[in-house]
Amino acid sequence: DADVTQTPRNRITKTGKRIMLECSQTKGHDRMYWYRQDPGLGLRLIYYSFDVKDINKGEISDGYSVSRQAQAKFSLSLESAIPNQTALYFCATSDTGASNTGELFFGEGSRLTVL
Amino acid sequence: AQSVTQLGSHVSVSEGALVLLRCNYSSSVPPYLFWYVQYPNQGLQLLLKYTTGATLVKGINGFEAEFKKSETSFHLTKPSAHMSDAAEYFCAVSNGGSNYKLTFGKGTLLTVNP
Repeated sequence: DADVTQTPRNRITKTGKRIMLECSQTKGHDRMYWYRQDPGLGLRLIYYSFDVKDINKGEISDGYSVSRQAQAKFSLSLESAIPNQTALYFCATSDTGASNTGELFFGEGSRLTVL
Repeated sequence: AQSVTQLGSHVSVSEGALVLLRCNYSSSVPPYLFWYVQYPNQGLQLLLKYTTGATLVKGINGFEAEFKKSETSFHLTKPSAHMSDAAEYFCAVSNGGSNYKLTFGKGTLLTVNP
């Protein structure tokens, strides 16, 4: 089983619908992240959480919200989806500690299409 | 602020040829540098990373990268390309410290021709 699991893997929805992407991890990491990947733009950080009580906006948080339900679970919501939110979304985790370098461990991605 | 520039959004090589993917970074503190690979329809996988110490870093699948502080570069190389190397490659920089985050380049798509 994957260490970082994303559901759903693929989703097609309509403009205005509420969508939730879920992420769970078995790595025991405190830090979790949501990234968005678009062709030619690389990965851009949407939100990140350093522990259960900590939520931070990334560079492109508008139109998104997150919830850290537990150390192992971090969900991303689109309250009212729009077509330009069509993208591949990645959840990632990282460890903490003095020796940590910021290395991320990724899920396999959730492909979202908004019609 | 930190940033990453990958030169060339698409690189095409012949099987057996040298692979060279270029990455330059900007960071106000000593950086940690990473290369990730994304195969079609998959997530990102760590290829190699530089933290401290030896500036030539070896990774999986025969790839290596050299940290050159004077040139603010971390180029990825492989002496002989295989068809299985076809993928998208991302360079990333971390600022370290307690609130580190990874900043990614826009990616380079590597095509390997038979």
